[in-house]
Amino acid sequence: RKEVEQDPGPFNVPEGATVAFNCTYSNSASQSFFWYRQDCRKEPKLLMSVYSSGNEDGRFTAQLNRASQYISLLIRDSKLSDSATYLCVVRGSSNTGKLIFGQGTTLQVKP
Amino acid sequence: ETGVTQTPRHLVMGMTNKKSLKCEQHLGHNAMYWYKQSAKKPLELMFVYSLEERVENNSVPSRFSPECPNSSHLFLHLHTLQPEDSALYLCASSQERGATEAFFGQGTRLTVV
Repeated sequence: RKEVEQDPGPFNVPEGATVAFNCTYSNSASQSFFWYRQDCRKEPKLLMSVYSSGNEDGRFTAQLNRASQYISLLIRDSKLSDSATYLCVVRGSSNTGKLIFGQGTTLQVKP
Repeated sequence: ETGVTQTPRHLVMGMTNKKSLKCEQHLGHNAMYWYKQSAKKPLELMFVYSLEERVENNSVPSRFSPECPNSSHLFLHLHTLQPEDSALYLCASSQERGATEAFFGQGTRLTVV
């Protein structure tokens, strides 16, 4: 089983749509969770951290379910500029644990 | 403008060549990393340096040899690579080894012929 598993997509959605990505992780002792964004031929950049209580940043909402070892990212009112690959990232079981990346989910927002 | 700069951006090398990738961070961070990103695969952590000391080597073949002369610079020396080593090599840095956010360079697109 992969340490961090994502549906690679691609997800093709029209502008204005709401889209949700899911991610599962295998290590129940994982400490921290993140979503990174990677544009085509660019480097990954932190989009948002994911907190146990769920958190929102504008049109983006991240949720964590520790019992199910499941993380989600919801994007509302999709923009063309949201087209990118979204990487689910999990930190291992210690404060210095390495970041473990999922394969990424590709989103294509169309006019 | 990224705080982590990688050179070269693209590299084509033969299997018998020796080349080096360079990474420089201007963020005052104490931890630096090399990752490999192959098509349709997750980023794979290769090496971790904390305060210029290698603290992690994730079973990387010896044909990849990292060097961290100071906290701002990180090199990846390459020799006798294989075609399957063709990938995007990303350098990253973070404030400390367990910091929340890692900042990535734009990567070196390596092709081994």
